[in-house]
Order: sequence, then C-alpha cells, then structure tokens
Amino acid sequence: EPEVTQTPSHQVTQMGQEVILRCVPISNHLYFYWYRQILGQKVEFLVSFYNNEISEKSEIFDDQFSVERPDGSNFTLKIRSTKLEDSAMYFCASSFLAGAYTSTDTQYFGPGTRLTVL
Amino acid sequence: QKEVEQNSGPLSVPEGAIASLNCTYSDRVSQSFFWYRQYSGKSPELIMSIYSNGDKEDGRFTAQLNKASQYVSLLIRDSQPSDSATYLCADSAGQGGSEKLVFGKGTKLTVNP
Repeated sequence: EPEVTQTPSHQVTQMGQEVILRCVPISNHLYFYWYRQILGQKVEFLVSFYNNEISEKSEIFDDQFSVERPDGSNFTLKIRSTKLEDSAMYFCASSFLAGAYTSTDTQYFGPGTRLTVL
Repeated sequence: QKEVEQNSGPLSVPEGAIASLNCTYSDRVSQSFFWYRQYSGKSPELIMSIYSNGDKEDGRFTAQLNKASQYVSLLIRDSQPSDSATYLCADSAGQGGSEKLVFGKGTKLTVNP
C-alpha cells in the first residue's frame, strides 16, 4: 500500500542552524502538507502546498520556514535558523484532492521527523 | 479561528466494552471530519472520515455526525487492548482548495485486559 515517507526520523541540531526535513508524498497525490506536534500538545498545521505553490500557511510558518518541491517526488521543509521552540515532531501529509468532501480528501501522514534543537 | 474540542480523558474501558469518544467543532460550515488514532511517538493514522449527518460504520468503528449540534463521535465496539491510543478528532478547514486539518487535543483511551 502506498505510504508517505519522511527522512530523517530524528534530527538533532544546534540553535541557529538550518535544517531540511524531507518527505516523499504518495505518488499520485496533488496536495501536500506539513504539520508539527510539540510534545504533549495538539497537532498543528504549518503549511499546505498545491500546484507548486503555497496555498495556505499558519501564523507559525514565518520567514524562517520555507517549503519546496524540488523534483517530482520530494517535498521539503526548511527551517533557516532553528530555535529551541522549534523542537517538535514534524509530520508531512498528502492527499489526492482537497475540498471535494469525499474520501479523496483524506490526508495520509508520514511517520514524522523528531527535531531536537539544542 | 476554528476550534475542535475533545474530552481530554483519559478514558479507560475493559476489554470487550464499547468506548465512546466525543468531539465538538466551532465552525457551522465545516463539511469534513476525521478520526485519527495516534500511538505514543507515532504519526496520526486515519480511522474514519465522515461527511454527512448520521452514522458511518467500518468494522468495529462507528462515526456519528450531527451538524446541527456541531458534534462528532466515535464508537469502538468490542474494544481491544491494541485500541489503546490517543484518538484525534479533526475538522477540515481551508481557504478553498487547501483544506488544512484542525485537530483537537485528543482523548487518550486505555483498554484494560
């Protein structure tokens, strides 16, 4: 069964360093998302991406964050200068459609990348 | 700002019992609702999606949606220890074509053998 994959599974970095989190969405999906979950808190939306551009972003997704689809399979999240508060699990998700109000809208999540900022 | 509220629990039921999980949402025009299961340290895994008022059954799981009351629930019949996890209710909320998920805090379910 197709699945979303993410690398690395765990990333440790020093405050102020740049990190790139990588995702391979399900191959025929058109909509891509990043979410994060700080330990013990709810899953929070960061950004959605469709047709090679950001379709929506949250207040969390400030100028330190960027997303890119560098080729036909990868979807990346870059954090330019990490802060201690960026420590969280980062989940990539993808869906075939959005706003169709059918099962084609279902978002499938990858296993996550645990980011630890020291 | 859309909000999704869940009973934070924790909820503990004996093996074989029915577990009932509840969720309310703030936006009257919301159309799509999802229940995800999340094991500790893992990613959300889809259990059910529901778009229309009424009940939707899939195996031991039944989702119920009442748009008038802005209420979504998940019933788990014949609960098993492997069902022990945090259950996340999510409302799809977007700006036309984005449909980001807004999650509740989750309800932690423990099924005791």
